[in-house]
Amino acid sequence: EVQLLESGGGLVQPGGSLRLSCAASGFIFSSYAMSWVRQAPGKGLEWVSVIRGSTGSTYYADSVKGRFTISRDNSKNTLYLQMNSLTAEDTAIYYCAKSPIVGATVPDYWGQGTLVSVSS
Amino acid sequence: QTVVTQEPSFSVSPGGTVTLTCGLSSGSVSTSHYPSWYQQTPGQAPRTLIYSTNTRSSGVPDRFSGSILGNKAALTITGAQADDESDYYCVLYMGSGVWVFGGGTKLTVL
Repeated sequence: EVQLLESGGGLVQPGGSLRLSCAASGFIFSSYAMSWVRQAPGKGLEWVSVIRGSTGSTYYADSVKGRFTISRDNSKNTLYLQMNSLTAEDTAIYYCAKSPIVGATVPDYWGQGTLVSVSS
Repeated sequence: QTVVTQEPSFSVSPGGTVTLTCGLSSGSVSTSHYPSWYQQTPGQAPRTLIYSTNTRSSGVPDRFSGSILGNKAALTITGAQADDESDYYCVLYMGSGVWVFGGGTKLTVL
């Protein structure tokens, strides 16, 4: 059974940094692209970033480019999101998601999310 | 910047059929955008219904189907049930590795 468990969320001051983790199990982690998607309180879904499984290529939304870094450790079956220069607009639930098939990058199977609050 | 558009709200009667759409503020949606659809109820993580235009995600009943209708992607729900009352989101591939979500449609079953 596929399981995705996000952690690392919390309260951080504007300008601060936070690293999110997503522990994966139940599938061959290294083969699948993994994504981060966020949802601000009361708002819709926003695609944040994706990292391919085979090549490790990374892609970002313009809203986070240059501030966030997605990475993965295939030996630990873990996905990361390093978030720097955080602002109030980054306050959201952050979901990690697995792609449905090898080679695809669209989010398919979702974790339960971790809440990031940026406030002074 | 191109915006992904969805109806803000829609209603359907129990047992009825509803088609939600996903468009672009500029241009037409095609299979090259690999449209995907998600269902989300309050307080829950999203659930994938459809990916790559018309492929149902694991465990999704065939009441849910995806297609391209005219210049938009479409999600059709047949035999609507009370627990279909949710927010529905589409996402489109914009190229260069980037995906963009639509603003979501709030579906009411009444």
